Amino acid sequence: GQNIDQPTEMTATEGAIVQINCTYQTSGFNGLFWYQQHAGEAPTFLSYNVLDGLEEKGRFSSFLSRSKGYSYLLLKELQMKDSASYLCAVRDRRDNYGQNFVFGPGTRLSVLP
Amino acid sequence: ETGVTQTPRHLVMGMTNKKSLKCEQHLGHNAMYWYKQSAKKPLELMFVYNFKEQTENNSVPSRFSPECPNSSHLFLHLHTLQPEDSALYLCASSQVRTSGGVSTDTQYFGPGTRLTVL
Repeated sequence: GQNIDQPTEMTATEGAIVQINCTYQTSGFNGLFWYQQHAGEAPTFLSYNVLDGLEEKGRFSSFLSRSKGYSYLLLKELQMKDSASYLCAVRDRRDNYGQNFVFGPGTRLSVLP
Repeated sequence: ETGVTQTPRHLVMGMTNKKSLKCEQHLGHNAMYWYKQSAKKPLELMFVYNFKEQTENNSVPSRFSPECPNSSHLFLHLHTLQPEDSALYLCASSQVRTSGGVSTDTQYFGPGTRLTVL
């Protein structure tokens, strides 16, 4: 079956660093995505990993270990505007025309002053 | 503004009504998606269209009927819905690479339609 796990909620302080973990078990793997979703808004793309290792984009970094079925999103220098839900999603088909995306439940991050 | 628009933004309907949700993307993408987002549940992929052809249908009840007349427009026709179908319905689009290699396939989401079934 398809299963993606994330912590339900996390709290951190402005200026701090937070790591949001994601573990997955899917029938196939062809990339892992992180999206940010503010309350009442659409998800927006943050990062994409298909090979093992760390991808860095400004204050946000994402790590992938395919052998462990594990990823994390690292947010540095937290700002109040980073309070949102963070969604982990796996694309579980290997060909370009089969795009089945499985989303985790999301992690609601609250950044406190 | 992501380049994906959805109408209406809010919809209240009875179980015997027929309504349609509309999605339009202005990004020149070749793939479009319908998702359902319910409270306390993960985002669920409902339908995928590549080049106007439906390629995924994740066991969605027949009371939801998608239509993709061209690569820029996507509809979700609704009829005889149940109260448990109340949710946020999100449309997304992406550009799928057509010649070899892995497509990043970043999805751009619309703002969603908040549906309430009475």
